[in-house]
Amino acid sequence: GEEVAQTPKHLVRGEGQKAKLYCAPIKGHSYVFWYQQVLKNEFKFLISFQNENVFDETGMPKERFSAKCLPNSPCSLEIQATKLEDSAVYFCASSPDRTGNTIYFGEGSWLTVV
Amino acid sequence: GQSLEQPSEVTAVEGAIVQINCTYQTSGFYGLSWYQQHDGGAPTFLSYNALDGLEETGRFSSFLSRSDSYGYLLLQELQMKDSASYFCAVPNNAGNMLTFGGGTRLMVKP
Repeated sequence: GEEVAQTPKHLVRGEGQKAKLYCAPIKGHSYVFWYQQVLKNEFKFLISFQNENVFDETGMPKERFSAKCLPNSPCSLEIQATKLEDSAVYFCASSPDRTGNTIYFGEGSWLTVV
Repeated sequence: GQSLEQPSEVTAVEGAIVQINCTYQTSGFYGLSWYQQHDGGAPTFLSYNALDGLEETGRFSSFLSRSDSYGYLLLQELQMKDSASYFCAVPNNAGNMLTFGGGTRLMVKP
């Protein structure tokens, strides 16, 4: 498609439950990025992919967060055993090249952990 | 590591000009980008500077001084719809992530 599509738009989970978010990058874009934004503040980088390969995962809290980008499937970000502090907007973005200067964001998935 | 600093908030009136500054510290430099984000919306790309000087795109311009590790976004003829948060960002040397500043919330008043 011509835009980054994220689902669901809103998600509410009780503490300890699992949350899974999906992202379809723009067609032809090889690079996918996930960012977390808490309370409209700065963007925390989580992970990036080059096609189905992890490109950089230095921002991922690995004990509870995992992500995949498999061929012919939307990319996914999964949070096991959610905590209150995971409440945030999770943005997916894609880019046609690795320079990373211009990336195209989806509308975000709003996760509320109660 | 990389870090970027921006003012947290700026207020201006319709029709005025406003400048949003950004200073950065990076281990290598591969360009400075600006993004706009309206409340509840997705960040959208505004401009990119790789070389020193001013880049103009309509009412918005962006400036870069690599020797000063400094850039700014200039918004002219402000309109109410320009009320949003503005983020500067730099890529790392591997090109596999963008680091964003904390964002500047611009409020345009009538």
